[in-house]
Amino acid sequence: QLVLTQPTSLSASPGASARFTCTLRSGIKVGTYRIYWYQQRPGSFPRYLLRYKSDSDKQQGSGVPSRFSGSKDASTNAGLLFISGLQSEDEADYYCAIWYTYTWVFGGGTKLTVL
Amino acid sequence: QAQMVESGGGVVQPGRSLRLSCAASGISFSTYGMHWVRQAPGKGLEWVALIWYDGSDQFFAESVKGRFTISRDNSKNTLYLQMNSLRVEDTAVYYCAGGPNTSGPTVWGQGTLVTVSS
Repeated sequence: QLVLTQPTSLSASPGASARFTCTLRSGIKVGTYRIYWYQQRPGSFPRYLLRYKSDSDKQQGSGVPSRFSGSKDASTNAGLLFISGLQSEDEADYYCAIWYTYTWVFGGGTKLTVL
Repeated sequence: QAQMVESGGGVVQPGRSLRLSCAASGISFSTYGMHWVRQAPGKGLEWVALIWYDGSDQFFAESVKGRFTISRDNSKNTLYLQMNSLRVEDTAVYYCAGGPNTSGPTVWGQGTLVTVSS
């Protein structure tokens, strides 16, 4: 079982909101970790969006709009990324990552289609 | 602004070696933990290695342990990745990325392509 699991794809309409999940493997408690989120547009390099551990331990990436936000769902042991007011430029792959047992682990990524 | 520029990629035969470099600017390089992250064609991101801001410790993915080494020269604001015993499955775009202190990667380079092929 993978350390981090992300849905392969997500689609939403312009102006709507998108919710991404990053589920931690059973036995790895989401409350313990800072979860990092990255955006990779087609043909481009990854861009740091934000990190979230708690409301008192979070950081927005430089220049990242406030319509990108992070959270957690302890009931499903998942980190969450929200994007509100979707724009066509948000169409991209989104990755989560954590520092786990002295390695960085990335999720498999979720492809967002804005249509 | 912060910038990372990778170099050294190319085509190399299996079993051979290659060294990648990453020149950083616009950041306090000596306070940044530095990473290499790779992405095989059409695939997701795979973390490769991390070196502490002062070079005192290094960490590697299991897939490259014993074959790759990571180093840095803080006087030159430069990060390196020495890749030995290359395999076809090491073919990927290699990104240099850094984060302040023990943070995860927050600043990324544009990547350099490494192709391992006979």
